[in-house]
Amino acid sequence: ETGVTQSPTHLIKTRGQQVTLRCSSQSGHNTVSWYQQALGQGPQFIFQYYREEENGRGNFPPRFSGLQFPNYSSELNVNALELDDSALYLCASSLGTSGWEADTQYFGPGTRLTVL
Amino acid sequence: KQEVTQIPAALSVPEGENLVLNCSFTDSAIYNLQWFRQDPGKGLTSLLLIQSSQREQTSGRLNASLDKSSGRSTLYIAASQPGDSATYLCAMRDANAGKSTFGDGTTLTVKP
Repeated sequence: ETGVTQSPTHLIKTRGQQVTLRCSSQSGHNTVSWYQQALGQGPQFIFQYYREEENGRGNFPPRFSGLQFPNYSSELNVNALELDDSALYLCASSLGTSGWEADTQYFGPGTRLTVL
Repeated sequence: KQEVTQIPAALSVPEGENLVLNCSFTDSAIYNLQWFRQDPGKGLTSLLLIQSSQREQTSGRLNASLDKSSGRSTLYIAASQPGDSATYLCAMRDANAGKSTFGDGTTLTVKP
């Protein structure tokens, strides 16, 4: 158990809809990252937040957006869903300060999104 | 742009065998490297993290090495067990501790 939880576990949406995925990090973890993992591939970095500010973004369009809250929870929002958005969405948290233990990323179990 | 490659994509070994998983990367300006395992349909479990200034880390039957000059990392698993069967992923975190780039993983099957 990593102490990182995600909800919902599974979600089915139709093309064009909007979705919000949620993540609850370990207490004290100031950094949260979101990833998209297609079947048979490694996770792709979407973006990262540190103390409620976005501080890194991968090659994803603006319709992917996020929020991080002071209570160590965060959200990934995806607008105008496309079929290719079907994937496992993972969040990972870390302390975000220096040192090897602080930098270790702890992943949640993921949300499986299916877009029809 | 960082590119991470893991070869082979799949590996099958008999129980008890020692094995090495490979990870290569193109940009040596990394902050750290982390090895994970992923069971089917599940999230990622952290195995080992190596900071940019380190050469290796060990945990139980696992040993991970990092050679930035050659752009390679290896994960050594000693005395493999059927419970080790999973997909193993390596990830490079970029120099400003932001983006992590993952390989596509090596799926390991350990046969009893």
